[in-house]
Amino acid sequence: GEDVEQSLFLSVREGDSSVINCTYTDSSSTYLYWYKQEPGAGLQLLTYIFSNMDMKQDQRLTVLLNKKDKHLSLRIADTQTGDSAIYFCAVLSGYSTLTFGKGTMLLVSP
Amino acid sequence: NAGVTQTPKFQVLKTGQSMTLQCAQDMNHNSMYWYRQDPGMGLRLIYYSASEGTTDKGEVPNGYNVSRLNKREFSLRLESAAPSQTSVYFCASTGTGKADTQYFGPGTRLTVL
Repeated sequence: GEDVEQSLFLSVREGDSSVINCTYTDSSSTYLYWYKQEPGAGLQLLTYIFSNMDMKQDQRLTVLLNKKDKHLSLRIADTQTGDSAIYFCAVLSGYSTLTFGKGTMLLVSP
Repeated sequence: NAGVTQTPKFQVLKTGQSMTLQCAQDMNHNSMYWYRQDPGMGLRLIYYSASEGTTDKGEVPNGYNVSRLNKREFSLRLESAAPSQTSVYFCASTGTGKADTQYFGPGTRLTVL
């Protein structure tokens, strides 16, 4: 089955850029997603990218997809303390079933 | 629109007790899902229902049963709870279009003693 890997922790200073990386194994994946989870809350969709795209920009968020290397990244520009959360990479495979990475905890310090 | 709602928010059970987690969505979505989230494990799919009247096993179905009561509601039942089922349970739904985006409920925090 699909396997999705993420680094577990990232610490940045307020105002810096954050880059969260993800790798996956299924080359037939169609959609790739980034979700955000704040403490005690559910998952909130941040953005997604279709597999035939290389890049997608949405305000402070930039998603880069390297299909050849099966590598997905999320860049958050001008990171704020409110961006501190766990970020999950998820890949659509099979019949609308998502496979999630274990999540990257982003800590933003003032 | 309330989106995806889950009840209860918190629950404590003793080993061997049974309970049902409820989930409802008001977005007219066809597909619904149950996940569990454990520290360091991400989210793992328990069961899903691609449409009313159908259910399928996910990655970790053992110890659970589900019912797709109608298009809106998808319940998860623990017949005989075990400490290993202590987790946070999330329900999600998705419709067609918009990249098959899954929308998540707020979660149920379950502790089995």
